[in-house]
Amino acid sequence: GIQVEQSPPDLILQEGANSTLRCNFSDSVNNLQWFHQNPWGQLINLFYIPSGTKQNGRLSATTVATERYSLLYISSSQTTDSGVYFCAVPRMDSSYKLIFGSGTRLLVRP
Amino acid sequence: NAGVMQNPRHLVRRRGQEARLRCSPVKGHSHVYWYRQLPEEGLKFMVYLQKENIIDESGMPKERFSAEFPKEGPSILRIQQVVRGDSAAYFCASSPTADGELFFGEGSRLTVL
Repeated sequence: GIQVEQSPPDLILQEGANSTLRCNFSDSVNNLQWFHQNPWGQLINLFYIPSGTKQNGRLSATTVATERYSLLYISSSQTTDSGVYFCAVPRMDSSYKLIFGSGTRLLVRP
Repeated sequence: NAGVMQNPRHLVRRRGQEARLRCSPVKGHSHVYWYRQLPEEGLKFMVYLQKENIIDESGMPKERFSAEFPKEGPSILRIQQVVRGDSAAYFCASSPTADGELFFGEGSRLTVL
């Protein structure tokens, strides 16, 4: 089945710094989602991005489907950005089955 | 608009008891999914339901687990005779179409003592 790999696995930033998180996937996909799981365990939708670039405030994401990767950019990071960032892609034969990466654990220090 | 609502947020059960987790999808969404997250892992698909129908339960253990989405009321994930290995966060998601964006609830965290 499709493999989803995220890097880096862990990241520590000083408040105000920028960062780039990467998601590689092993097969063609129809869409891709980025999520933020905050320290309380809540899973928050960030982007639904099959291709191209989207921006939402300090966050933006780019998916290059032909090269099988997506990037999540966090600018001017804040302590509330801490948590785990997951990317997920659907299986081709059953698009409701999202395959999640193992996540990037981000800690933003004040 | 309310998002996906799950309850309870936290549930503690002793081994052998039953756990019932409830999920109300986003208003207007007829596709409901349950995912499980074990500690330090990503979410894994369990079951996909539409009103009164189980579409795909291939990710759900064959024994002790069941799910329903009745004509009226929330979707229910039921775990009978819980064991310690069932301790996890159970997330419900809904979507307006079968291949659309999934919106997740806040999860229900089950702890089995």
